[in-house]
Amino acid sequence: EPEVTQTPSHQVTQMGQEVILRCVPISNHLYFYWYRQILGQKVEFLVSFYNNEISEKSEIFDDQFSVERPDGSNFTLKIRSTKLEDSAMYFCAIDGAVEQFFGPGTRLTVL
Amino acid sequence: GDSVTQMEGPVTLSEEAFLTINCTYTATGYPSLFWYVQYPGEGLQLLLKATKADDKGSNKGFEATYRKETTSFHLEKGSVQVSDSAVYFCALLVGGKLTFGQGTILTVHP
Repeated sequence: EPEVTQTPSHQVTQMGQEVILRCVPISNHLYFYWYRQILGQKVEFLVSFYNNEISEKSEIFDDQFSVERPDGSNFTLKIRSTKLEDSAMYFCAIDGAVEQFFGPGTRLTVL
Repeated sequence: GDSVTQMEGPVTLSEEAFLTINCTYTATGYPSLFWYVQYPGEGLQLLLKATKADDKGSNKGFEATYRKETTSFHLEKGSVQVSDSAVYFCALLVGGKLTFGQGTILTVHP
């Protein structure tokens, strides 16, 4: 099973601040995904990223969100101006043959 | 749009009991189906998968069969253990996007 690491494991920020969440796959992958899970709710798709471009995004992924692959290995999710409702677990995923493999997640707490 | 519906929980069982967690889906395309498990304080782990009708996915004693005629992918285990206590998510994959059910909390008592 491919490994994915995410940093930080927990991020606490003040409302209105920018946060950057990082995802590092152990091996090379072309497809990356971000999902989020608000406490006690289902896991929701945010965005898929292929070949340095967004291939699909959900309604949740508004102008406050952006993704990039700055150095060919890290994959980042940026929230420009955090809101209280952005508090959630954020999971990065990479593609397998059919399935997607998830990182351990970053818990974002917006105060 | 695509959607997944899981039986409501939480589910509480005694050790060695039989487990069924129901999952039904609607999809615009021909989905692949998955069960993911989330242990307390951890991320999502792939439990099993099925990519076409009548496929049976299995892992760690858990099984699920892709039933296209009933659009279902029910999770079963013959004898649960305390260590199976976790949240179980049914999910479908179409076009590179996973759609999850709401999750079912399973608690197994000794």
